[in-house]
This record gives sequence, structure tokens and C-alpha cells, in this order.
Amino acid sequence: QVQLEESGPGLVKSTQTLSLTCTVSGGSISSGNYYWTWIRQTAARRLEWLGRISPSGSPTYNPSLNNRITMSLDSSRNQFSLTLRSVTAADSAFYFCARAGGILSWFDPWGQGTLVTVSS
Amino acid sequence: DIVMTQSPDSLTVSLGERATINCEASQSVFYNSNKKNYLAWFQHKPGQPPKLLIYWASTRESGVPDRFSGSGSGTDFTLTIDNVQAEDVAFYYCQQYYNTPPTFGQGTKVQIK
Repeated sequence: QVQLEESGPGLVKSTQTLSLTCTVSGGSISSGNYYWTWIRQTAARRLEWLGRISPSGSPTYNPSLNNRITMSLDSSRNQFSLTLRSVTAADSAFYFCARAGGILSWFDPWGQGTLVTVSS
Repeated sequence: DIVMTQSPDSLTVSLGERATINCEASQSVFYNSNKKNYLAWFQHKPGQPPKLLIYWASTRESGVPDRFSGSGSGTDFTLTIDNVQAEDVAFYYCQQYYNTPPTFGQGTKVQIK
């Protein structure tokens, strides 16, 4: 059974860079047709898809992030990561990693989520 | 982006009653090529990962109780919870995966009276 777990700092200063890692267990992130995804949930409980990365490491990002995002894959550690630059208070949220069954797919499973707060 | 709008925002029902949550998409999420609606439903309890309930608008995920059902097509969808149980207290979200970026409804909070 595939499980995902997010890790990273819970506090980031405004204008700096947010970096999170998702560790996948129970399956290889570089095989199969699964896409590895980051989603965040704001204080208003809104869910926003941030981006996905293919098993070969090709990313697709949400244009709403204005080129502040980078995702990467580390097959040797079975991890994928999120970097979000120039953060503001609006980037404070719960960040989830999740698996998608393809480019057009639902998300299952999800990680537990990690809270990131941007401080001024 | 496709805007997903859920109603109501909050719902209070008695144990054993039915809960109905609606989800409207700003454009159709039905693909004629495979006759499928690209719509999923999730349950989210605070402190837990969101849980997939329904995909293809009406296909129940393995292990999900059959009191959960999804219906609808095109732009209008419904999640129905029959015989609501105490463990069903949660937030419920619809999600379209018809195109990129995938988008979610704002969520519906289900509580017990």
C-alpha cells in the first residue's frame, strides 16, 4: 500500500523560499504511470493544485503561481520535492502531497499534510 | 480554470437521515470520447489525509461504504450520504480532473444534529 509523508520547515520568512519533501513508501515513484502532486489548503479550507511531476521528472505547474514554483524527483530516495520562491502570507497553508493516476485523474492517496506558516 | 461551486456550505442532519451535497462546474466535465464525467468526491476530516470516495462521478472507491453515492453529469453533480453516521462528520469536496489545472469545490461541512 502506497503511503506519502510530507516533511519540511513549518515556518518560513516572507520573501524567502519554501521547500518541502514528500517521501513515498510502498511503491516506486519512477515506475508506472502515476504523477506526483502537490496541493495546498488555505485557512479558508480552499484546496489549490500546485503542480505535478511525471515518473520521468517532467513537471507541470499551476500558472497561478507566477513561475515561483519548482518541483523535482529524486528516484534514489523515492522522494519528490516542492520549492516555492518569494513567499508571502498568502502562501501560509497546509501542504499535501498526493498521487494521481495520470494527467487527468483524481488524487489517491494523500499524505497527512504539513502546515507551513509564512512570517513577516 | 473550471470553477467548482458546492452547495450548501454547511449541512446539519440527524443520525440516520440523508445528506445531499451539490457540486456545479462552470463548464461540462463530460468527455464524449469515453462517455465519462471527470469528477471526484473526497471526504476530509481534520488531522487526516483527504480520502477518495467517488471517481468518474459515480464509481465508489473500494472500501467506501455503500451509503455514499455519486450522481450527475455534465455540469451538475450530487454526493448523497444515506443513513448518516457519526463518523461521517467531515468536510466534503468535489474535484474536476477534466483539464489542467484540476480544481476543487470550496467544501461542504457535514455535522450531526
